[in-house]
Amino acid sequence: DADVTQTPRNRITKTGKRIMLECSQTKGHDRMYWYRQDPGLGLRLIYYSFDVKDINKGEISDGYSVSRQAQAKFSLSLESAIPNQTALYFCATSPGPLLETQYFGPGTRLLVL
Amino acid sequence: SQQGEEDPQALSIQEGENATMNCSYKTSINNLQWYRQNSGRGLVHLILIRSNEREKHSGRLRVTLDTSKKSSSLLITASRAADTASYFCATAGNTGKLIFGQGTTLQVKP
Repeated sequence: DADVTQTPRNRITKTGKRIMLECSQTKGHDRMYWYRQDPGLGLRLIYYSFDVKDINKGEISDGYSVSRQAQAKFSLSLESAIPNQTALYFCATSPGPLLETQYFGPGTRLLVL
Repeated sequence: SQQGEEDPQALSIQEGENATMNCSYKTSINNLQWYRQNSGRGLVHLILIRSNEREKHSGRLRVTLDTSKKSSSLLITASRAADTASYFCATAGNTGKLIFGQGTTLQVKP
């Protein structure tokens, strides 16, 4: 969905490096989410934000941090990347307050060596 | 921990056949959603069924929900090769979050 964009689309980094994944949306949604996907494990929620001043930890937040710079932007950082953070990362948005459809970005494929 | 458990994990059928995927969940929900993911791409919302609904249709898709059994099924009728993808159920409770199942990988052979 072009309304939700993620950069970069692919990234290779080394253990210990700090990296940032960025998400932008033009849907005007207040709610934004970061997920990671690993083979056979479905999607797991890392962090989510219901508005610019609201940040919440998800199921697997350890080793990650986020920043909600504006309604349209939500960034995910890996402070010190490790190999088991190799995964496919998705950003998603949804309109509030009732939890309805989520709209996903195209994903960022991250490889940590 | 995963809320939704999907069955089967993988399904292979011939074009024209129907495909049925099942999802079971553990806690009470406000709604249940089904998403589709083509290989390595973002998820796309297919259909949402609310907790007070029992069945919903959208084109070739039919979703049922049995809250007493905490289960849902997705039926794709007259499948096409283009339906080849992974399908995920996701449950929405009162926490403002969706919890996804592990997915069913569907292959439709032409």
